[in-house]
Amino acid sequence: ETGVTQSPTHLIKTRGQQVTLRCSSQSGHNTVSWYQQALGQGPQFIFQYYREEENGRGNFPPRFSGLQFPNYSSELNVNALELDDSALYLCASSFERAGELFFGEGSRLTVL
Amino acid sequence: QQQVKQSPQSLIVQKGGISIINCAYENTAFDYFPWYQQFPGKGPALLIAIRPDVSEKKEGRFTISFNKSAKQFSLHIMDSQPGDSATYFCAIHRRGSGNTPLVFGKGTRLSVIA
Repeated sequence: ETGVTQSPTHLIKTRGQQVTLRCSSQSGHNTVSWYQQALGQGPQFIFQYYREEENGRGNFPPRFSGLQFPNYSSELNVNALELDDSALYLCASSFERAGELFFGEGSRLTVL
Repeated sequence: QQQVKQSPQSLIVQKGGISIINCAYENTAFDYFPWYQQFPGKGPALLIAIRPDVSEKKEGRFTISFNKSAKQFSLHIMDSQPGDSATYFCAIHRRGSGNTPLVFGKGTRLSVIA
């Protein structure tokens, strides 16, 4: 059974650029949730995708957007990057919307 | 508004001692209370979880104590080991009708020293 995998693991961008982060969900899981974890903080919910539709969103601006594909993998896109977007971005998959979350190791984004 | 408050922010415990981390929440609608363990460079991993219909759950050296009336729950790590050194997050979740996303506390950095 393959766990949640995320790519890239690390990346550096400059302010104003755009970034796409990718996540492959665990086998058998149809729901993907994205979290932002700033240094020294707990993960903050960005949004959840269930069967290719956004199913809940946290307090993040519209420049944070996402997609879920038919194979349940997902992308997180962030436009017009700001310095405060520097964080670890975590993807978690689950079986159904309220199921147990299994996290990937994250993508660490640094915005200069 | 912070929905779940976690304390302490950091904790140093001697090997073999008991580590205790506390969390308090406001909304009684939450029905699932997990604890996650995160090692540096890794994503959070579920450690143990409890539902509000029980007051205590034990798995090996890890125990959750739950006080529904006080809206508090805590993690106890018995016989703490250096390998337990990690950051621990409590979380709250509403899984039933009108389910909500998992909400995390700010974390407790535990260091177990020999």
